[in-house]
Amino acid sequence: ETGVTQTPRHLVMGMTNKKSLKCEQHLGHNAMYWYKQSAKKPLELMFVYSLEERVENNSVPSRFSPECPNSSHLFLHLHTLQPEDSALYLCASSQDRTQQPQHFGDGTRLSIL
Amino acid sequence: KQEVTQIPAALSVPEGENLVLNCSFTDSAIYNLQWFRQDPGKGLTSLLLIQSSQREQTSGRLNASLDKSSGRSTLYIAASQPGDSATYLCAVTNLSTDKLIFGTGTRLQVFP
Repeated sequence: ETGVTQTPRHLVMGMTNKKSLKCEQHLGHNAMYWYKQSAKKPLELMFVYSLEERVENNSVPSRFSPECPNSSHLFLHLHTLQPEDSALYLCASSQDRTQQPQHFGDGTRLSIL
Repeated sequence: KQEVTQIPAALSVPEGENLVLNCSFTDSAIYNLQWFRQDPGKGLTSLLLIQSSQREQTSGRLNASLDKSSGRSTLYIAASQPGDSATYLCAVTNLSTDKLIFGTGTRLQVFP
């Protein structure tokens, strides 16, 4: 039990589909993060939310759209993705932006056909 | 721009060996350094966190050291076990950005 739950665990979608990834934490943390993990590349930070406000957008294409409706939930809305977007998408949370360690979910394995 | 490098990329050892994983970073202006473990198909589990003012941290059979001035950290695993098989990731938090910058990891296999 990691404290951070991601759904779905696996997702296969076509390039024209729209889908959403969900992340939920009940650790009482105030900061939440989306990371992308591609094969043989370091984890890349995509977005950071602190107290439900987006504080970091790491030059991510607009086909990825995050949403943080409350401090326990974080979504990543996907539309018109490209094959190179296939990766493991990891969600994490921490007490606040400067507090480590971050607690990670098990990720969503995304495959774009 | 901060870059984190981990050597070796993969390591295979017999059970019982003591081993060392290496991590280097290019910018010494860091807030802290963390070692994570990632099992196949899973997320990351934080193992050890070393603040920039500290030299080492220990947890059970794991010991991590930090030499900030030379931009290096090592993770020492004593008496390795098959259950230690996983990918080990090193990450630094930059002082200027608060971002975690990750290395590409060392894939460890411990065989019985």
